[in-house]
Amino acid sequence: NAGVMQNPRHLVRRRGQEARLRCSPMKGHSHVYWYRQLPEEGLKFMVYLQKENIIDESGMPKERFSAEFPKEGPSILRIQQVVRGDSAAYFCASSLAGLGGGTEAFFGQGTRLTVV
Amino acid sequence: QQQVKQSPQSLIVQKGGISIINCAYENTAFDYFPWYQQFPGKGPALLIAIRPDVSEKKEGRFTISFNKSAKQFSLHIMDSQPGDSATYFCAAMGRGSRLTFGEGTQLTVNP
Repeated sequence: NAGVMQNPRHLVRRRGQEARLRCSPMKGHSHVYWYRQLPEEGLKFMVYLQKENIIDESGMPKERFSAEFPKEGPSILRIQQVVRGDSAAYFCASSLAGLGGGTEAFFGQGTRLTVV
Repeated sequence: QQQVKQSPQSLIVQKGGISIINCAYENTAFDYFPWYQQFPGKGPALLIAIRPDVSEKKEGRFTISFNKSAKQFSLHIMDSQPGDSATYFCAAMGRGSRLTFGEGTQLTVNP
């Protein structure tokens, strides 16, 4: 049973381009979370999705950022018109059910986005 | 009110020593407190977690101590080993499946 798979592992984009980050959850997991980690900082919650639904997007910037988790295929975090401040590691996690009550979130290895 | 404060930022311990990392929170709605271990280039991995109905939880060399009245919790690593060298994050969660992470502690265990 493969873990949470994120790709690409490293992504370089020029300012103004679009970045698309993909996350395939663990088999059987229908809950996906995206977190952002800036250098020397902890992880910051961005968005929580279930299949075809956004449950909590309170951590997403209001502009340029969007996320989806379609019925088929991976979850996608899309950043439009990237700026240097978007450079960070983006982690995806998945879980079998909502967290708590003994349910654990499993994290992928992250996508390191560099905006030049 | 959503923050979790973690200290120290970095910690150096000799092999066999005890590593202690502390966290404090404000939001009394938090009811789940996990600790994550992260190695360079990897994602965080759950190490141990506690709920506020107990004051201590031990798993092998790792122990969480929880003080509900002080809104503080800490991770103790007994008999620290060089392989424990990593970044450790405390986190907290209330309802809604949203983890709030501390800033992280970079632990180095010298041989």
